[in-house]
Amino acid sequence: GNSVTQMEGPVTLSEEAFLTINCTYTATGYPSLFWYVQYPGEGLQLLLKATKADDKGSNKGFEATYRKETTSFHLEKGSVQVSDSAVYFCALSGRGGGADGLTFGKGTHLIIQP
Amino acid sequence: SAVISQKPSRDICQRGTSLTIQCQVDSQVTMMFWYRQQPGQSLTLIATANQGSEATYESGFVIDKFPISRPNLTFSTLTVSNMSPEDSSIYLCSVRDRVNLSAFFGQGTRLTVV
Repeated sequence: GNSVTQMEGPVTLSEEAFLTINCTYTATGYPSLFWYVQYPGEGLQLLLKATKADDKGSNKGFEATYRKETTSFHLEKGSVQVSDSAVYFCALSGRGGGADGLTFGKGTHLIIQP
Repeated sequence: SAVISQKPSRDICQRGTSLTIQCQVDSQVTMMFWYRQQPGQSLTLIATANQGSEATYESGFVIDKFPISRPNLTFSTLTVSNMSPEDSSIYLCSVRDRVNLSAFFGQGTRLTVV
């Protein structure tokens, strides 16, 4: 079955540091890949996505590239801010055309210190 | 994007009782998804609710414990039956955009069973 593995936290960084959160997956075929973010006290929000190999998703300064050869979708940001402190989830869906649910990683708690 | 409203937002329930969670979407959707997020854990798909047919449950979840209704294209309910403390979790309703494949989530129902 499908599975997602992401680095576990908490990850603590200083403001303006470079961020990488690793995510690898196991799936048959060509899944769609997502990063979701959960800010303190808020619901789950889509951060970015990629639906085919070599696609790069980007939003709010975050980027992730769909690497089929390494089955990875690592999240990166060049300069983090205190406001980026949140829990980040990597997720995938199969090729169900939106008719299937998502498989999530365990989440990475990111703490940015001023 | 879809706007999803869940009720109640939180509840504290006695063991052995049942709680029904409501999910309302601001547009018509074919599939609605129910997830569970146990304390400190990731999201796990419980079932997929398709209007006009029985819900499809994931491994480890059964209809007797988590009955689902889907009376129309904008509404669904999830019941957590005969609750025990192990059912204490956040329960989330979700829909997916069939075009861009993104998933959208309600704010969740935080359930505590005592």
